[in-house]
Amino acid sequence: GQQVMQIPQYQHVQEGEDFTTYCNSSTTLSNIQWYKQRPGGHPVFLIQLVKSGEVKKQKRLTFQFGEAKKNSSLHITATQTTDVGTYFCAGHKFYFGTGTSLTVIP
Amino acid sequence: DAGVIQSPRHEVTEMGQEVTLRCKPISGHDYLFWYRQTMMRGLELLIYFNNNVPIDDSGMPEDRFSAKMPNASFSTLKIQPSEPRDSAVYFCASSLEVGTPLFFGPGTRLTVL
Repeated sequence: GQQVMQIPQYQHVQEGEDFTTYCNSSTTLSNIQWYKQRPGGHPVFLIQLVKSGEVKKQKRLTFQFGEAKKNSSLHITATQTTDVGTYFCAGHKFYFGTGTSLTVIP
Repeated sequence: DAGVIQSPRHEVTEMGQEVTLRCKPISGHDYLFWYRQTMMRGLELLIYFNNNVPIDDSGMPEDRFSAKMPNASFSTLKIQPSEPRDSAVYFCASSLEVGTPLFFGPGTRLTVL
């Protein structure tokens, strides 16, 4: 299947610190979707990016799609304990990235 | 809408037994997906259907796994015979069309002893 790698695999931050996860594909993507999975829960759709260089914001979350449409990032400003979970990107043909597990220390 | 419905939510069985997982997608969604999630392998796409027709089953681990979608509102994933390494959370998801969000069910946590 298509390789969609995410880094880092795990991230521990103090509450209030920023957090970034990166998604890298071996092939050009037509679009990329981001999902969040709370511990014990199921993945929930956050956003979709389609255009080269696109940037979208949702409150403290900023999503970017690379110019070459091979990479993407999710940045969270001033993390809160409610941000805890695993963040996945999903690209070509419904394959999900390896995920980044975020722990926020109060 | 009730969202994607999966049953059972938990299943504990013994090695060698047949296991059947069930899924009801969101009404009107043309795509249905089965994923498996483990710590080691992450979220793996097993198979997906479009309008009840299997499109890509390259992720199905082996012949012990089979999936069907007899109609637009029901799908099953069957494992026969089950093995301990099949222990995982199995998610069903549906979407309206290509390029639209996937909506996941709550998952079935399978434990094979």
